[in-house]
Amino acid sequence: KAGVTQTPRYLIKTRGQQVTLSCSPISGHRSVSWYQQTPGQGLQFLFEYFSETQRNKGNFPGRFSGRQFSNSRSEMNVSTLELGDSALYLCASSLAGSNTGELFFGEGSRLTVL
Amino acid sequence: AQSVTQPDIHITVSEGASLELRCNYSYGATPYLFWYVQSPGQGLQLLLKYFSGDTLVQGIKGFEAEFKRSQSSFNLRKPSVHWSDAAEYFCAVGGLGNEKLTFGTGTRLTIIP
Repeated sequence: KAGVTQTPRYLIKTRGQQVTLSCSPISGHRSVSWYQQTPGQGLQFLFEYFSETQRNKGNFPGRFSGRQFSNSRSEMNVSTLELGDSALYLCASSLAGSNTGELFFGEGSRLTVL
Repeated sequence: AQSVTQPDIHITVSEGASLELRCNYSYGATPYLFWYVQSPGQGLQLLLKYFSGDTLVQGIKGFEAEFKRSQSSFNLRKPSVHWSDAAEYFCAVGGLGNEKLTFGTGTRLTIIP
């Protein structure tokens, strides 16, 4: 069974640009969560989608947005990039929702903002 | 609000020695507790979980953790570490409510020969 796939794995952008990251969950999983990981802040929750609905949202500015499609694939978008947005963005899928904790993570998309 | 504290940022252990990583949580109801491991350049992998029942839970790769409600702790242990255990370890808390899963800041484990 295929795992969680995130694309692209690496990308470099400049300040002010926008970026879209994609996540394909494990087949049958309806929940997709996004996390930002930085050395100083650890894993910060961005948002969770369950059956195309945003179920929960973390404390990030409105520049961070996401969506989920009917096939459970999810995208997150960051507009007007800032240097501080440089991070590893991790996507995780689960069958019943992230609060149950049984998350399956992708390898992440490493974003560098110059 | 729920929270997780991992007091040790970095731990160094000799190969073959025992290991204990500390985790303290704050949660208003019965918690679901988890340990995840992240190898360099990889995503996180679930090591073990506690939902209810026996407070000593066994996980993959020879790890175990003990839930102690009175101490609000869920420490991870391994009797004998291997060089391949070098990684970052994250404790997390969730629950039955519609809340997000909350992670600790992680403990980096270094293994020396």
